Amino acid sequence: AQSVTQPDIHITVSEGASLELRCNYSYGATPYLFWYVQSPGQGLQLLLKYFSGDTLVQGIKGFEAEFKRSQSSFNLRKPSVHWSDAAEYFCAVGAQGGYNKLIFGAGTRLAVHP
Amino acid sequence: ETGVTQSPTHLIKTRGQQVTLRCSSQSGHNTVSWYQQALGQGPQFIFQYYREEENGRGNFPPRFSGLQFPNYSSELNVNALELDDSALYLCATAGGLGQPQHFGDGTRLSIL
Repeated sequence: AQSVTQPDIHITVSEGASLELRCNYSYGATPYLFWYVQSPGQGLQLLLKYFSGDTLVQGIKGFEAEFKRSQSSFNLRKPSVHWSDAAEYFCAVGAQGGYNKLIFGAGTRLAVHP
Repeated sequence: ETGVTQSPTHLIKTRGQQVTLRCSSQSGHNTVSWYQQALGQGPQFIFQYYREEENGRGNFPPRFSGLQFPNYSSELNVNALELDDSALYLCATAGGLGQPQHFGDGTRLSIL
């Protein structure tokens, strides 16, 4: 069955430090992978996506993610975190291709210390 | 600003009641998906509507039903509410199947 695992429930980093959020997926075919961010009381905003091609994808707000098929991973990274990055981050896979029927992980809550 | 509006923002119901949640989107967004997000969890896919027809359903019982209207608005109806239905309900609209989805801010439903 298709699934997404985000091993870290909470992560705390200092402002200016680098960040890596982990995501592992289980999917039979070539996956369509996404990272979304959710601020309190708001919906989901797409940070970046991977459909095919270059395995290192760039997104908004200075985020990037690397698709590693051999490890079934799609980790999100940012070289220098800002206080405004504090939010909940969700990794997702498109179960019917593209953006259809997204299967989300349980999320990682990011706290940023000044 | 995603152009997706959900109403109401918050709602309190009791067990056994019925509820209707609404979603409106930009003109041309003929695809709408509904998700349930329980506290501390990721969103779970309920179903998708495309051109007013159901186009895929997640692991939710039939008491969860939906409608999509020609004016690109949609509804999520839940009958016989249970305590576990307490969650944030998100709708996401798109300009077509496989197109980028735009999420609303959700409706927070609390069941007492």
